[in-house]
Amino acid sequence: KAGVTQTPRYLIKTRGQQVTLSCSPISGHRSVSWYQQTPGQGLQFLFEYFSETQRNKGNFPGRFSGRQFSNSRSEMNVSTLELGDSALYLCASSLAGQGNYNEQFFGPGTRLTVL
Amino acid sequence: AQSVTQLDSHVSVSEGTPVLLRCNYSSSYSPSLFWYVQHPNKGLQLLLKYTSAATLVKGINGFEAEFKKSETSFHLTKPSAHMSDAAEYFCVVSDRMYNNDMRFGAGTRLTVKP
Repeated sequence: KAGVTQTPRYLIKTRGQQVTLSCSPISGHRSVSWYQQTPGQGLQFLFEYFSETQRNKGNFPGRFSGRQFSNSRSEMNVSTLELGDSALYLCASSLAGQGNYNEQFFGPGTRLTVL
Repeated sequence: AQSVTQLDSHVSVSEGTPVLLRCNYSSSYSPSLFWYVQHPNKGLQLLLKYTSAATLVKGINGFEAEFKKSETSFHLTKPSAHMSDAAEYFCVVSDRMYNNDMRFGAGTRLTVKP
């Protein structure tokens, strides 16, 4: 099976712009979670989508949003970019079915740089 | 809410010597605990997991961890370090097995000297 893929791998934007990141989960996985990784704050949970619905949300401002499509692919959007949004954004997928243990499989990440 | 504290930000060992990466957790419920490894410019890979079965958990690449409820600890060990073990290690806690709200520790960077 192919692993979790994220596109693009690298991205450079300027302050005030918006950005959309994409994540394709492992085939059959219905849950997609997003994380932000920075040297200062470490790994922080952004949100999780399951069956096209946001199921959990971390403590991030409303500028960070996401969605999930019927094929489980997910996108994350950040509007009005700030310098502090520069980070590695990781996506993880899991089966997340009822009664299943939720081992998460991570993609390689998208490195976002905001200038 | 659950949280994790990794007691060492950096651990340095010599190749062939034991590895100990320390992790304490806080959880309101019976936690699920994980160790992940991240090699440079790579995503995270699951090393092992504890989900209320055996308290001594064996993972990949010779790593293991012991869940100690009385000490709220989940330390990661390996008897003999290899150069390829050099990476960042994350201890992770989740309050509920079916909830993907996972809280990561700050990470421990493991350096292995030849």
